[in-house]
Amino acid sequence: DTGVSQNPRHKITKRGQNVTFRCDPISEHNRLYWYRQTLGQGPEFLTYFQNEAQLEKSRLLSDRFSAERPKGSFSTLEIQRTEQGDSAMYLCASSALGAEQYFGPGTRLTVT
Amino acid sequence: GQNIDQPTEMTATEGAIVQINCTYQTSGFNGLFWYQQHAGEAPTFLSYNVLDGLEEKGRFSSFLSRSKGYSYLLLKELQMKDSASYLCAVRDDPYGGATNKLIFGTGTLLAVQP
Repeated sequence: DTGVSQNPRHKITKRGQNVTFRCDPISEHNRLYWYRQTLGQGPEFLTYFQNEAQLEKSRLLSDRFSAERPKGSFSTLEIQRTEQGDSAMYLCASSALGAEQYFGPGTRLTVT
Repeated sequence: GQNIDQPTEMTATEGAIVQINCTYQTSGFNGLFWYQQHAGEAPTFLSYNVLDGLEEKGRFSSFLSRSKGYSYLLLKELQMKDSASYLCAVRDDPYGGATNKLIFGTGTLLAVQP
């Protein structure tokens, strides 16, 4: 148990619907990351927060994706108007300054 | 560009030693990480190298050569539970501290056979 939790663990939605995922990092970690992973691939970086500030967002991330970390603790990732290509495992990770990242169990999204 | 290469699959025998290689070309470098990922689970941290040389941690060791853009993960005394995907990741830091994102390879699927 790495201490990072994610909810829900699984989400099935119909194309065009909006979905929101939550990540609770390890409490003393001020850095939080979102990644996406598809079958047979390594995780792909989506966005990064230091405390409540979103410091980097992947150019691969369309405008349908938005992430927040309002109080510098938990974070949410929202996908609007989901498409079948959004089906993937969405991983959250957290770290302390300069240290390794610890991953949560992920949210598996299936868009039908 | 960003490129991290590692073999797609490897097979080894229980009790043996296996070496998983990783080569990288990234715009910045601030450390190389190895993660283990069992099917359907999250990646778990194994090792970290930022300076050249070998880091040993029990049955696992990791080596880094920054000049060659090369790392390997060495697993000794293989056990069946070591069957998993092993991910090589570079912490890309082209601006000297502005980001901490990891660039991952596609992973090496290791099958340990009896």
